[in-house]
Amino acid sequence: QQQVKQSPQSLIVQKGGISIINCAYENTAFDYFPWYQQFPGKGPALLIAIRPDVSEKKEGRFTISFNKSAKQFSLHIMDSQPGDSATYFCAASWVAGGTSYGKLTFGQGTILTVHP
Amino acid sequence: NAGVMQNPRHLVRRRGQEARLRCSPVKGHSHVYWYRQLPEEGLKFMVYLQKENIIDESGMPKERFSAEFPKEGPSILRIQQVVRGDSAAYFCASSPRNMNTEAFFGQGTRLTVV
Repeated sequence: QQQVKQSPQSLIVQKGGISIINCAYENTAFDYFPWYQQFPGKGPALLIAIRPDVSEKKEGRFTISFNKSAKQFSLHIMDSQPGDSATYFCAASWVAGGTSYGKLTFGQGTILTVHP
Repeated sequence: NAGVMQNPRHLVRRRGQEARLRCSPVKGHSHVYWYRQLPEEGLKFMVYLQKENIIDESGMPKERFSAEFPKEGPSILRIQQVVRGDSAAYFCASSPRNMNTEAFFGQGTRLTVV
C-alpha cells in the first residue's frame, strides 16, 4: 500500500533529447507528489512537485504529468543537458493526513546520463 | 537543501560500536526527518521529530536505533552496537512546519561499518 514504483532504473539520453521517468503508486490517500534530483555525494533537492487536483505542471524544462485514475505520474525533461545527469527520485506523501510534506515514500531512483 | 548541516559527512565504525549522527536544521525549522539510503536504493523514512517530541517513528528499527531533537542543539540519530547492514547514507531533512512547506535535505552522513 505504501510503495512507489519507479522506472526505468537507468536512462541514457543524448543532449537535446527528452528524458521520461515514470512512477506508479498504490496508496490512493497520497496527495503530494514531488520529484527530487540527487547528485553524487549530495542530498536530494526538490525539483518540482504536483498535487492531484491538476494533471500537469511545468517549470522550465521540467514537466510532471499526473494520471489520478491510473495512479501514475511521470517526469519529462525537455532538451536534456549533460548537467541534468543525476539520480532522480519520485516520491509521495499524504499531507492531508497530517503526516507533512517531510514524510515521503520514495521510488527506487533513476540514474539519468545525458551524453553530449 | 540549503542550510541543513549534517556531521560527520563520513563515519567509520567497527561492528559493536555506537554511531552518533548529528543534524542541525535550517535556522528556524522545528521539524526534522531522518531517512536511510542503502546502496542503489531509494530513501526510506525512519523518524519524524519536533523539538523534544517524536512524532512518527514508524520507520525506525525496533532495536539499537534511537533519535532525539532536544530543545537546544542538533537532532541526534544514535545507532548502538552497529552491524555491517547499518552501512548506508543517512539523510536529515527539516521544515519550518508540517504543512504547505517542502522539507530541505542535508548532504548526508555516510556510515561504514567494518
